[in-house]
Amino acid sequence: EAGVAQSPRYKIIEKRQSVAFWCNPISGHATLYWYQQILGQGPKLLIQFQNNGVVDDSQLPKDRFSAERLKGVDSTLKIQPAKLEDSAVYLCASSLQADSYNEQFFGPGTRLTVL
Amino acid sequence: AQSVSQHNHHVILSEAASLELGCNYSYGGTVNLFWYVQYPGQHLQLLLKYFSGDPLVKGIKGFEAEFIKSKFSFNLRKPSVQWSDTAEYFCAVNHPGGYQKVTFGTGTKLQVIP
Repeated sequence: EAGVAQSPRYKIIEKRQSVAFWCNPISGHATLYWYQQILGQGPKLLIQFQNNGVVDDSQLPKDRFSAERLKGVDSTLKIQPAKLEDSAVYLCASSLQADSYNEQFFGPGTRLTVL
Repeated sequence: AQSVSQHNHHVILSEAASLELGCNYSYGGTVNLFWYVQYPGQHLQLLLKYFSGDPLVKGIKGFEAEFIKSKFSFNLRKPSVQWSDTAEYFCAVNHPGGYQKVTFGTGTKLQVIP
């Protein structure tokens, strides 16, 4: 089965610019997650969707970050405007359902560098 | 808030050496515990998990982990490492039931020298 797809794989922008990341989860997976992984740290959940509804966005910096999952399949994460501290790998993951026992499957990530 | 500590940031071992990576979590209630692994150039993937029952769980590629509730620990072990085990290992925790987000540790980079 195809895995979680993400694009682009790498992105370099200057601070105050905007950037968007795309994720296509595994077919049939209802739950989609966006994580931020800063160098030397573990992944931190930014937002979790169940179908096209938001389950948890408590750690999403809503003044600059936004995410959507229209139609409950693929998703985009946007940063506007970017700051230097947003440099990180942005991981997308999906699972069959949102409960705590479901295995999450991760994509390859998008490495963002903000100059 | 839940936190996960991984004490070793970088571990270097020779092939055939035994491995133990530490993981401690902060929450005193019921937890689900996971170890994820990221091989060079590959995606993060699940290595093993503990939900309940036997505190000694076995995962893929000969790895195992032991849940010790009194110590809030879930250490990862392998009796004899191989060069192919070179990777970064993440311990993670969530709470059973409902929409419970996973909290990851900072990771341990394992380098196995042939």
